[in-house]
Amino acid sequence: DAKTTQPNSMESNEEEPVHLPCNHSTISGTDYIHWYRQLPSQGPEYVIHGLTSNVNNRMASLAIAEDRKSSTLILHRATLRDAAVYYCILSGGSQGNLIFGKGTKLSVKP
Amino acid sequence: DVKVTQSSRYLVKRTGEKVFLECVQDMDHENMFWYRQDPGLGLRLIYFSYDVKMKEKGDIPEGYSVSREKKERFSLILESASTNQTSMYLCASSRRPRSQPQHFGDGTRLSIL
Repeated sequence: DAKTTQPNSMESNEEEPVHLPCNHSTISGTDYIHWYRQLPSQGPEYVIHGLTSNVNNRMASLAIAEDRKSSTLILHRATLRDAAVYYCILSGGSQGNLIFGKGTKLSVKP
Repeated sequence: DVKVTQSSRYLVKRTGEKVFLECVQDMDHENMFWYRQDPGLGLRLIYFSYDVKMKEKGDIPEGYSVSREKKERFSLILESASTNQTSMYLCASSRRPRSQPQHFGDGTRLSIL
């Protein structure tokens, strides 16, 4: 299964944009790139996913490199509620399960 | 919005007990999953179901079984609970195919004494 590499932690100021990087150099042609986040004592929450083209939704944007070996999750204006662990995941195990790494812990300062 | 509901947020059981964890989803999803989450180990797949009465073992099925009698409900059973099964248990559901996002419940924190 292809793996991802993310920084352990990042800091941001409230109301500023945040760019969370992810490297996935062994991605296969059919792997989708998923982003989830998890707040303490809650289950993971789906954020966004894409295959080749950049994607936007109400929560975030996903920028995918042309060679697909890296991607960036963009939160346009960080709020205190965005403080969480963010996981970049490739879909998935052979059974469709998500293989979570350690993720990036995002701290947001007021 | 998709809602995945797990029957308990916190549960305390004794060694040797048979434990049932229930999960219900309201979006007619074909796929349902049971994971456990432990510090430093991330999420690990226990069992997966892609249809009613269909199931597949995940990475760590030993000591667990599952039941899916109805499309919306997926139960995880600890046949004889042991202390090493103390963990956070997470249920998820998704549409086919595997590229579709999964929607998680809030988890059940299970302690086996």
